[in-house]
Amino acid sequence: GQSLEQPSEVTAVEGAIVQINCTYQTSGFYGLSWYQQHDGGAPTFLSYNALDGLEETGRFSSFLSRSDSYGYLLLQELQMKDSASYFCAVRGSQGNLIFGKGTKLSVKP
Amino acid sequence: DAGVIQSPRHEVTEMGQEVTLRCKPISGHDYLFWYRQTMMRGLELLIYFNNNVPIDDSGMPEDRFSAKMPNASFSTLKIQPSEPRDSAVYFCASSFGRGINQPQHFGDGTRLSIL
Repeated sequence: GQSLEQPSEVTAVEGAIVQINCTYQTSGFYGLSWYQQHDGGAPTFLSYNALDGLEETGRFSSFLSRSDSYGYLLLQELQMKDSASYFCAVRGSQGNLIFGKGTKLSVKP
Repeated sequence: DAGVIQSPRHEVTEMGQEVTLRCKPISGHDYLFWYRQTMMRGLELLIYFNNNVPIDDSGMPEDRFSAKMPNASFSTLKIQPSEPRDSAVYFCASSFGRGINQPQHFGDGTRLSIL
């Protein structure tokens, strides 16, 4: 089976850096993705990692270590609008995604 | 380009009634996914299609749930009869291809309340 673990809540202040961790267990690994969801909104794609290392997209970066079955999302220069839930997801062998339970990020002034 | 379009946005109905949720994927996308989101269980995959063919429906909770995709531009998720525990937000998503670098694009969801 497949499962993902991520913290349920994280709080940080505006301008700070926050890291959201994700550990996974999968029968086969095809990549790790991150999605953002604002309250009342739909999940939106942020980034993906298929190989080990860091992928940077503006203020957001995502890291993967396949040997550790671990990844994280790094958000820099936090803004109030970054308050949202963040989901890691692994891809199944046939293209489906299995999502973690999500991490609710609260950015305080 | 128009995104994934779901209807209705909100649905409130009484237990026992039939509920039909609709989804129009992004044109050209060959994968379509139905998810259910609740506080307790998070975002769960119910069923997904590739080129209009159901690939995996193991997430469908029980026989009361059914999904169809009669053509590349339309899919329905039906609950009959509905129960209060079906209350959730139902999302439809589509993607082009199945690679990890092919993001899933989600619709705005249908907020379903069964009384």
